[in-house]
Amino acid sequence: ETGVTQSPTHLIKTRGQQVTLRCSSQSGHNTVSWYQQALGQGPQFIFQYYREEENGRGNFPPRFSGLQFPNYSSELNVNALELDDSALYLCASSSPGREGGEQFFGPGTRLTVL
Amino acid sequence: AQSVTQLDSQVPVFEEAPVELRCNYSSSVSVYLFWYVQYPNQGLQLLLKYLSGSTLVKGINGFEAEFNKSQTSFHLRKPSVHISDTAEYFCAVSQVNTGGFKTIFGAGTRLFVKA
Repeated sequence: ETGVTQSPTHLIKTRGQQVTLRCSSQSGHNTVSWYQQALGQGPQFIFQYYREEENGRGNFPPRFSGLQFPNYSSELNVNALELDDSALYLCASSSPGREGGEQFFGPGTRLTVL
Repeated sequence: AQSVTQLDSQVPVFEEAPVELRCNYSSSVSVYLFWYVQYPNQGLQLLLKYLSGSTLVKGINGFEAEFNKSQTSFHLRKPSVHISDTAEYFCAVSQVNTGGFKTIFGAGTRLFVKA
């Protein structure tokens, strides 16, 4: 079984630009969560998708949006990039049978905003 | 509202010494508890989890944690650390809701094992 994959691994953008990050969930997992991890901090919950619908959102502005596709892969879109958006973005997948919400994490995408 | 506090931002320890990484949480409902490890430039890997049952949980790489409901703690321990245990460790609490769950992470504890 393949694990969670994310692309790209690194990305450099300038302020005001838009970015799309991608995530392929682990086989059999229909729930995908996105996290932002700033340098020296713990992951902060952005939002979660379950069966292509947003199912919970953290304290992030609307310029952070997402999609989940029928194959349960997911995208995170960030519009009007700000310097503070520079961070490691982590995707995690889970299946409904995973009691307690055990998640499997991808390696992350490192976004740098200049 | 849930919250997670990791009481130490950094823990230096000598190789083969025991270590304890502290975690306290607050929640008004039942939660599930996790410890994850993050090596440099990598994602998070699950070390262990507490869902129910025995309060002493054993995980990978010789780590264990004890759930203490009265003290709302979930401290991580290892009796003898190795250089390779140097990494960032995150405590997390998860609350299950309709169709999914919400997970809150602590700020992390950097474990630095010295030779």
